[in-house]
Amino acid sequence: DAKTTQPPSMDCAEGRAANLPCNHSTISGNEYVYWYRQIHSQGPQYIIHGLKNNETNEMASLIITEDRKSSTLILPHATLRDTAVYYCIVRVRSNNNDMRFGAGTRLTVKP
Amino acid sequence: NAGVTQTPKFQVLKTGQSMTLQCAQDMNHEYMSWYRQDPGMGLRLIHYSVGAGITDQGEVPNGYNVSRSTTEDFPLRLLSAAPSQTSVYFCASSYAGDLGEAFFGQGTRLTVV
Repeated sequence: DAKTTQPPSMDCAEGRAANLPCNHSTISGNEYVYWYRQIHSQGPQYIIHGLKNNETNEMASLIITEDRKSSTLILPHATLRDTAVYYCIVRVRSNNNDMRFGAGTRLTVKP
Repeated sequence: NAGVTQTPKFQVLKTGQSMTLQCAQDMNHEYMSWYRQDPGMGLRLIHYSVGAGITDQGEVPNGYNVSRSTTEDFPLRLLSAAPSQTSVYFCASSYAGDLGEAFFGQGTRLTVV
């Protein structure tokens, strides 16, 4: 079973920030939070990951609460091409292949 | 740099037939894995490999075999296809180590009739 809980779907207006929440209340101290997305039926694409500090890269920002029980992926200026299913995954640091995908959040960016 | 290449992209099999899904990567990644994705669901891990000659089972290994004779290739074999194996299959690879980002292929859509 996936260790995360995400809303099944969200909408966002084009040009606005998209904030995707994820609950991971049973996360362990050595588990990282990863985000991937899957556009249409393509293979998943890595977005960002973090342990306990907030992270930012060219694609998105990741905000992790102080107790690490939840996080939010932020797409600062969503475009139509950001319409996808977004997966939040918690992963043990040393096991690359321990990635358990849930159903994710289907984000629809609307014009 | 091709990344992760899967072949074929589409395949239709009859129940009981066997086939091999191919996966190749040119990034010299140690880790490779196979997932299946059923409609409306997330990906589930079938088998994975931490290097040439080493493989292990994931969440849903039954009905599938793998081998890893080279770093580049990680084929997935269906010995006797069943309708329950109708799915989209994704291969992924990544570097060994703590924080490896996984790279995924474009998938193989398999239908078993």
